[in-house]
Amino acid sequence: AQSVTQLDSQVPVFEEAPVELRCNYSSSVSVYLFWYVQYPNQGLQLLLKYLSGSTLVESINGFEAEFNKSQTSFHLRKPSVHISDTAEYFCARAGNQFYFGTGTSLTVIP
Amino acid sequence: DVKVTQSSRYLVKRTGEKVFLECVQDMDHENMFWYRQDPGLGLRLIYFSYDVKMKEKGDIPEGYSVSREKKERFSLILESASTNQTSMYLCATRTGGRYEQYFGPGTRLTVT
Repeated sequence: AQSVTQLDSQVPVFEEAPVELRCNYSSSVSVYLFWYVQYPNQGLQLLLKYLSGSTLVESINGFEAEFNKSQTSFHLRKPSVHISDTAEYFCARAGNQFYFGTGTSLTVIP
Repeated sequence: DVKVTQSSRYLVKRTGEKVFLECVQDMDHENMFWYRQDPGLGLRLIYFSYDVKMKEKGDIPEGYSVSREKKERFSLILESASTNQTSMYLCATRTGGRYEQYFGPGTRLTVT
């Protein structure tokens, strides 16, 4: 069955430090992967996506994710986090339905 | 930009009431979805619809039903609300194919 696993439920990190949020997916022939961000009491917003082509994808606010087929991973990274990055982050893959991970709560500490 | 709206941001209902949650999108997307979100459980799919008058059960359809009479509108119905249906409900849409979903702002439902 198609699935997505987020290995960390909570990640605290100091402001301006780097962060990595981990995501692994079950192997499949075609893989379409996404990262969403959810701020408190809001819906989910698309952060970035991998459909095909370059394995490194970037968002407008400094996040990037790398599609790694051999490790079946799609980890999200940012070299220097800000207080405003505090949010819940969801990894997802598309198929007939959409399959979400259980989320990672990122807390940026001043 | 895709716009997905949900009828209420916050809703308080009593046990046994019939509850309607509405979702409207303005981008002519074929696919629409209803999720509930609970702490530690992530998003769980309740129902989805590929097209008008079509519906498919998701992972947790018990206690819910849906209606899609028009392409832009997808309604979630709690036939007889119970306290264990207290949750955040999220609507999403997607054009056909394997593209991203677009989410509404969510409805936080409390059943007392």
